[in-house]
Amino acid sequence: KNEVEQSPQNLTAQEGEFITINCSYSVGISALHWLQQHPGGGIVSLFMLSSGKKKHGRLIATINIQEKHSSLHITASHPRDSAVYICAVTNYGQNFVFGPGTRLSVLP
Amino acid sequence: EAGVAQSPRYKIIEKRQSVAFWCNPISGHATLYWYQQILGQGPKLLIQFQNNGVVDDSQLPKDRFSAERLKGVDSTLKIQPAKLEDSAVYLCASSLDPRYTVRNEQFFGPGTRLTVL
Repeated sequence: KNEVEQSPQNLTAQEGEFITINCSYSVGISALHWLQQHPGGGIVSLFMLSSGKKKHGRLIATINIQEKHSSLHITASHPRDSAVYICAVTNYGQNFVFGPGTRLSVLP
Repeated sequence: EAGVAQSPRYKIIEKRQSVAFWCNPISGHATLYWYQQILGQGPKLLIQFQNNGVVDDSQLPKDRFSAERLKGVDSTLKIQPAKLEDSAVYLCASSLDPRYTVRNEQFFGPGTRLTVL
């Protein structure tokens, strides 16, 4: 069993739809990261969470420490949101543990 | 602030050839990471440097992969000889010293996409 799991693995949505990507983990963490990777390969950090909820534009990330679960929501999705979304966790300075990623395609 | 730079962005080689990737981290970041990301998977850590010393290279295939960070700034990752299964995106990331940072935010470069034919 992987230490960080994501669902769904692949997701196709129509432009404007509300999207949720889930992440669950089985290890102790001090922070959880949501990362975005476009087809070119580079990775951009979207959120770093240790509790509660964060919002940036159309993106919302939540974390429930007790349930070891986090969600990334995209409101009013757009084709430019098409990317791979990766959940990663870290524990007090230790290395990242990455999830397998969720491939999102938003169709116009 | 300039981000993490990597070159080349793309490389196509034949198996058994050699290849080298270069990374320039964010200024002041003591820690540098090289990751291998195979299509459809999350990144896998190959090697972590703290300044110019190796902290973790447990998943680096040392028979063919090598990496160095001689002056504690730029780093190179080499594969010699390459195999078909080395086709992947190679990501470089940097961070402040994670020993003193609770949440350890890493900053990633654009990656180098390697295709081995």
